[in-house]
Amino acid sequence: AQSVTQPDARVTVSEGASLQLRCKYSYSGTPYLFWYVQYPRQGLQLLLKYYSGDPVVQGVNGFEAEFSKSNSSFHLRKASVHWSDSAVYFCALSSSGSWQLIFGSGTQLTVMP
Amino acid sequence: DSGVVQSPRHIIKEKGGRSVLTCIPISGHSNVVWYQQTLGKELKFLIQHYEKVERDKGFLPSRFSVQQFDDYHSEMNMSALELEDSAMYFCASSLVWGGYAEQFFGPGTRLTVL
Repeated sequence: AQSVTQPDARVTVSEGASLQLRCKYSYSGTPYLFWYVQYPRQGLQLLLKYYSGDPVVQGVNGFEAEFSKSNSSFHLRKASVHWSDSAVYFCALSSSGSWQLIFGSGTQLTVMP
Repeated sequence: DSGVVQSPRHIIKEKGGRSVLTCIPISGHSNVVWYQQTLGKELKFLIQHYEKVERDKGFLPSRFSVQQFDDYHSEMNMSALELEDSAMYFCASSLVWGGYAEQFFGPGTRLTVL
């Protein structure tokens, strides 16, 4: 069965600090991986996605993620966070076996001024 | 705004009642997916239609039915509502049905069952 785990329910960082949000997945094949962001009272917006190629993929607003097949991970990073990055971040997976998006439980990011 | 449109944005129903949620996908998108979000966090896949055909079903209760119409808009009919159905319901649309297609999310409908 496919699954996505985001081990950190809440992360708090200071503005200007670097950020890593963790995502681990379970899937025997090659997954399609996504990071979405949800701002308060809004729907989800895609930050970036990965299927193949360079394991480091660039997204919007300075976000990037690194895929690791050996670690079954797809961690999200940002070099310097801004207060407006405060939101809930979801990691998601889909595969050719089932095209449905499987979401992790989300990480609430709070950026302190 | 040419994004995904959902209506109503907020609806309150009594237990045992019925409700209809509507999703209008982005023009040109024929794939529509429904999700339920509870406690402000967990997103559950409910059902997916592509080209008016159901392609995949997840946690959709048997009390709910979803249909996609000729213009690709989608309606979720909910009956015998239970307190646990209180949640945000998001629909998302994409150009195609496939793992790498970006899904664009609507603003959601908040359903409160009393």
